Amino acid sequence: DIQMTQSPSSLSASVGDRVTITCRASQSIRSYLNWYQQKPGKAPNLLIYAASTLQSGVPSRFSGSGSGTDFTLTISSLQPEDFATYYCQQSYSTPSTFGGGTKVEIK
Amino acid sequence: EVHLLESGGGLLQPGGSLRLSCAASGFTFSSYAMSWVRQAPGKGLEWVSGISGSGGTTYYADSVKGRFTISRDNSKNTLYLQMNSLRAEDTAVYYCAKCRGPDTAMGDDYWGQGTLVTVSS
Repeated sequence: DIQMTQSPSSLSASVGDRVTITCRASQSIRSYLNWYQQKPGKAPNLLIYAASTLQSGVPSRFSGSGSGTDFTLTISSLQPEDFATYYCQQSYSTPSTFGGGTKVEIK
Repeated sequence: EVHLLESGGGLLQPGGSLRLSCAASGFTFSSYAMSWVRQAPGKGLEWVSGISGSGGTTYYADSVKGRFTISRDNSKNTLYLQMNSLRAEDTAVYYCAKCRGPDTAMGDDYWGQGTLVTVSS
C-alpha cells in the first residue's frame, strides 16, 4: 500500500498568514492527489483534486502543487473559516490512502 | 442538489454483523463510483472500500478485506456496506462519498453526514 506522510501534524497561524502543508507519498502517484478540509463534527470537503485543480466553489486562496511523490497545499491568506484539519489522499492505486492530517489552529 | 444519507449504524458486540446503507439523490447514481471512508473517534480518515459505477469492480482496504462487502443497487440509487466479524477497531463514523467520475481515482466530491458504528462488549 502507498503511505502518505503529511507535515506538520499541526500548526498555529494568524488570520492573514500564508500557510503551507506538505504531503509525501511512499512512491510515485503521478498527480493523483486530493486535498480535503474537515471541521469538527462535519464530513470532509474536497478542496483540490488532481494535485492542483480547485474544486468548484472553493476559494482561490487555496492552491495545490506537486507531482510524483511531493505535494503542497497552500492557503495564501488564512481566513477565520479556514481553521480546520486538512488531509491529503492518494487515488492513484487501491487501496486509496489518506495522510495523517494537519490541524490548523489559531495563534 | 447532491444528497447522500447514510443509515444503519448502531451499537453491537464483537463478532456481530451490520449493513450500512447510503441513499443517493441529485445525480445519475450509476455514472459514478462510490466509496466508504471511516473515522475512528479522535482519529484521521481511513478509506474502507470503493465500487465502480456499474458495480462490477470493488476495492477494499486490507483491514476489512474478507469481512466487509461493498455493493450497490443502481435501480434504488443506494450504496451498501455489509460488515461481518466486527471488531472493536471497526468503531468509527462511516461516511459514504460520491467519486468525481466512474472510477475511484478522481477524489470524492460529495459526502454524507456519516453514521456511527460502535463495536463493544
